Amino acid sequence: EMELAESGGGLVQPGGSLRLSCAASGFTFRNYWMHWVRQVPGKGLMWVSRIKSDGSTTAYADSVKGRFTISRDNAKDTLYLQMNSLRAEDTAMYFCVKFSGNYDAYDIWGQGTLVTVSS
Amino acid sequence: SFELTQPPSVSVSPGQTASITCSGDNLGQKYASWYQQKPGQSPVLLIYHDTKRPSGIPERFSGSTSGNTATLTITVTQATDEADYYCQAWGSPAAMFGGGTKLTVL
Repeated sequence: EMELAESGGGLVQPGGSLRLSCAASGFTFRNYWMHWVRQVPGKGLMWVSRIKSDGSTTAYADSVKGRFTISRDNAKDTLYLQMNSLRAEDTAMYFCVKFSGNYDAYDIWGQGTLVTVSS
Repeated sequence: SFELTQPPSVSVSPGQTASITCSGDNLGQKYASWYQQKPGQSPVLLIYHDTKRPSGIPERFSGSTSGNTATLTITVTQATDEADYYCQAWGSPAAMFGGGTKLTVL
């Protein structure tokens, strides 16, 4: 069964840093583009970042560009999101998602990890 | 970038048909996907490429398009269908989501 399991969320002060991890299992991780999507509690979904299957290409939402860095370790089947200079508005549930080229959509979502930025 | 607009809420009686729309400039030139999110859970892909269902998704869920509007239709709606529904399409390079529609089964 294909699964994604995020970790690394928690409470951090404004201006602080956090690194999220996402462990993949049940599929050949290195073959797929991966994304991060976030959701403020009670609100809608917002795309954050994506990375190509081999890690060579990345992209970011304007709101996180220059502060967040997406990366992956295909040997460890793990996706990362390094978040620096965190702001209160970054408070959200962060989902790791697998992009399916066959569907042009997200076919697998992790359970999410909650990031709270507050003093 | 572009925006996708959904109604904030839709209500339906059990056994009836619910329709949720998603509109956006040039949406007709893009593929739309639909996701269901129940409280406390992660989203689940319901529809991709406007009209197709992944394996395991009941036939009660269907998608259609007309012009720049995509529509998710749920027939014989059940209480378990009560959830938030999101449409999604691709900008460059971002995934764009609609604001979500809360489906209430009365």
